[in-house]
Amino acid sequence: GAGVSQSPSNKVTEKGKDVELRCDPISGHTALYWYRQSLGQGLEFLIYFQGNSAPDKSGLPSDRFSAERTGGSVSTLTIQRTQQEDSAVYLCASSSFRYGYTFGSGTRLTVV
Amino acid sequence: GESVGLHLPTLSVQEGDNSIINCAYSNSASDYFIWYKQESGKGPQFIIDIRSNMDKRQGQRVTVLLNKTVKHLSLQIAATQPGDSAVYFCAERGDSSYKLIFGSGTRLLVRP
Repeated sequence: GAGVSQSPSNKVTEKGKDVELRCDPISGHTALYWYRQSLGQGLEFLIYFQGNSAPDKSGLPSDRFSAERTGGSVSTLTIQRTQQEDSAVYLCASSSFRYGYTFGSGTRLTVV
Repeated sequence: GESVGLHLPTLSVQEGDNSIINCAYSNSASDYFIWYKQESGKGPQFIIDIRSNMDKRQGQRVTVLLNKTVKHLSLQIAATQPGDSAVYFCAERGDSSYKLIFGSGTRLLVRP
């Protein structure tokens, strides 16, 4: 596609429920990244995928967070048993090899 | 992750003046740097990038300066316009990783 697409744009969930956030990267981009941005703060790295290599999961805050990338394209970030501190904007980016990092508009997650 | 809570440094400039936004980066081995602009409710938007083998790069109304000796990056915006009002983030990438590490951000306010 023309840009990085994320869905849903907004998600309100009850504490303890699981949520899935979707990212559709730019066609042909081999690398895909997830970041988290809490209100008024900077971007916190979560995970990245590069081609068929094992993902770098070093930024995932707990084992409630996981992500997968199917067929080298679409990625899903899953948060299990959501907590109020998980409320944030979750941003996805993709890049071609090591350049051209492009971000989506994010999913605003609110845990109530 | 990187954050300064809600107390982002703020730069206030008069419309038409030049703006300079500064960033100190952390890794002397970082080989690539990007400036992003983020407007409220949107994802980060690429402005300009620079590789570590350069010390200056110019775009349309923007210039990025890199000083590797003191690990400092700056973004200069010429003839600042109201539409430039946003939060600006610098990001660095280490030479052995694809992931971007973001600075804490600076809020730019343009007075009419």
